[in-house]
Formats: sequence, structure tokens, C-alpha cells
Amino acid sequence: QVQLQESGPGLVKPSQTLSLTCTVSGGSISSGSYYWSWIRQPAGKGLEWIGRIYTSGSTNYNPSLKSRVTISVDTSKNQFSLKLSSVTAADTAVYYCARGSIVGATSWFDPWGQGTLVTVSS
Amino acid sequence: SSELTQDPAVSVALGQTVRITCQGDSLRSYYASWYQQKPGQAPVLVIYGKNNRPSGIPDRFSGSSSGNTASLTITGAQAEDEADYYCNSRDSSGNHLGVFGGGTKLTVL
Repeated sequence: QVQLQESGPGLVKPSQTLSLTCTVSGGSISSGSYYWSWIRQPAGKGLEWIGRIYTSGSTNYNPSLKSRVTISVDTSKNQFSLKLSSVTAADTAVYYCARGSIVGATSWFDPWGQGTLVTVSS
Repeated sequence: SSELTQDPAVSVALGQTVRITCQGDSLRSYYASWYQQKPGQAPVLVIYGKNNRPSGIPDRFSGSSSGNTASLTITGAQAEDEADYYCNSRDSSGNHLGVFGGGTKLTVL
């Protein structure tokens, strides 16, 4: 059973770059027709899709974050990563990684990592 | 602003049936997926596609779609179903980007 685990600093200073890694266990990140996503959730608010990457390296990003986001994949380590530059307090949130699937008109995220809280503060 | 619209809060009496809806133009072309999130926990997939339940999800959860509206129905709501529910689909731009609804807080009375 595939499991995902986020890791990275829990505190980032304003204007710096937030960096998180998601480690995939229980299966190869390269197997199957999946994509790998980052999703975040500010405290008390809803979910926001950040972006995704296929193991081919192809990426798609939320237009509202596109200028600051980079998602990459390291298949040798079974990991994918998120970098978000020029962070502000508005980027404080729980960050989730998730595996995505698309079949025709259907898409879904399963499983999800447990989430990691990143606070932007000096 | 979200391209998928959900009612912020819905309540249901224990054992009764409740429908949670999600509206958006992209739902005319794509199915929604639905996620249950309890406090302090990661979201869990409960419904995807036309009406598919992942393994381990009770059959009281079902999904449907009509026009620009997707619905999650809980038939015989249980106390443990009290949670936030989010719909997700692709955006209407055709770029296949992800978008979530704002979420619905379900209270079981």
C-alpha cells in the first residue's frame, strides 16, 4: 500500500523559499499512470491545489502561484519536491502531498500524506 | 475565488439522509471527487468518478452528477460522518488544472 510522507522545515522566514519533500513508500513513484501533487490548507480554511508533476517531468501549476512555484521529481529517491519562493505570512499553511489519478473525465487524489505545517514568520 | 461552489454548512439528523452539493461549469465536462476531512487529519477520498467508492468507504456514501452540479449523498448519516467535505475537479479552462470547492461543514445532530 502506497504511503506518502512530507518533510521539511516547519518555519520559514518571509521572502525566503519554502522547500518540502514528499517521500513515497510501498511502491515506485514511476509505476502506473499517476501524477504527484501538492495541496495546502491555511488554518481554518479550505484546500488549495498548488500543482502537480508527472514522472516524465511535465508540470502544471495553480495560476495564482505559478510565478513562485517549482515542483520537481527524483525517481531514484522515490521523492518529489515543492519549492515556493518569496513567501509571506499568507503562505502559512498545512502542506499535503498526494497521488493523483486521471481516467477519462474522472480524476482523484489518493492517498494523501499526513500533512506538514509550515509557518512563515521572522 | 473557487470555481467550485459548496454550501458552507449543512446539518442532518442522526440516521437521516443528507446531500452535499458542488456547483461549477467544469462539472458539465468532468466528474467531481469528494474528500472527507476530520479535525487535525488529512483529507480522505470517499467518492470519485460517476459513483465509485474506494475500499473501506461505507456504502452509505454515494455520488451523482447532473448538469453543473455534483452531489455527495450520505444515506443514514452516522455521528462519525461529522466532518468537512470538499469536492474537487478540473478547472473549466481546459488546462486540466486542479480546483477544490470551498468545503461544507457537515453537522450530525
